[in-house]
Amino acid sequence: QVQLQESGPGLVKPSETLSLTCTVSGGSISTDFWSWIRQPPGKGLEWIGYIYYRGLTMYNPSLKSRVTMSMDASTNQFSLQLSSVTAADTAVYYCAREGWYSSSAYFDYWGQGMLVAISS
Amino acid sequence: QSVLTQPPSASGTPGQRVTISCSGGNSNIETNSVNWYQQLPATAPKVLIYHTNQRPSGVPDRFSGSKSGTSASLAISGLQSEDEADYYCATWDDSLNVVVFGGGTKLTVL
Repeated sequence: QVQLQESGPGLVKPSETLSLTCTVSGGSISTDFWSWIRQPPGKGLEWIGYIYYRGLTMYNPSLKSRVTMSMDASTNQFSLQLSSVTAADTAVYYCAREGWYSSSAYFDYWGQGMLVAISS
Repeated sequence: QSVLTQPPSASGTPGQRVTISCSGGNSNIETNSVNWYQQLPATAPKVLIYHTNQRPSGVPDRFSGSKSGTSASLAISGLQSEDEADYYCATWDDSLNVVVFGGGTKLTVL
């Protein structure tokens, strides 16, 4: 059973960089696709991007200029950095694994989510 | 404004059948599989349907998915109080190169 757990600061100042880490247990991050998804309070889901084996990435074009994802196979963790944050980046941030079925992907395992507030 | 359009709300009484629609376009739903996620209050989303009509183990067969052209649907039969949740459709968009989600539908069991 794959389990994911987000960690990082719950409060970030405007214009600074949001940094989150997702720790994976029960599976290897070297063999799958791993995504970040966020949900502003009371709103819907937004895909931020994914990282997969050898650290290859794909980002949502709407956030691409501010997003960096990385992975560390030795600790089975992957990370998200979002720069120049504003209040609009306040959200619950989820990490998730992409499962595959017949060449199509879906998010089969999710972390519990972490609320990050952007405020001075 | 979401690329995929869902009704903001739906409702039904226990035992009823409810359908939630998800409308998209030829760069997303028409050409790619659709997934549905259920989000219970204050919890992370959980996959309910993947690859348009496949149920993960543990998901009751009361839940079913389908699609036709640029629209997809989630049907819930034998509605139960524990089905009260937010439901999201999602798929890949070939033009935008992103995973797109619907805006979500809040299901109320009356």
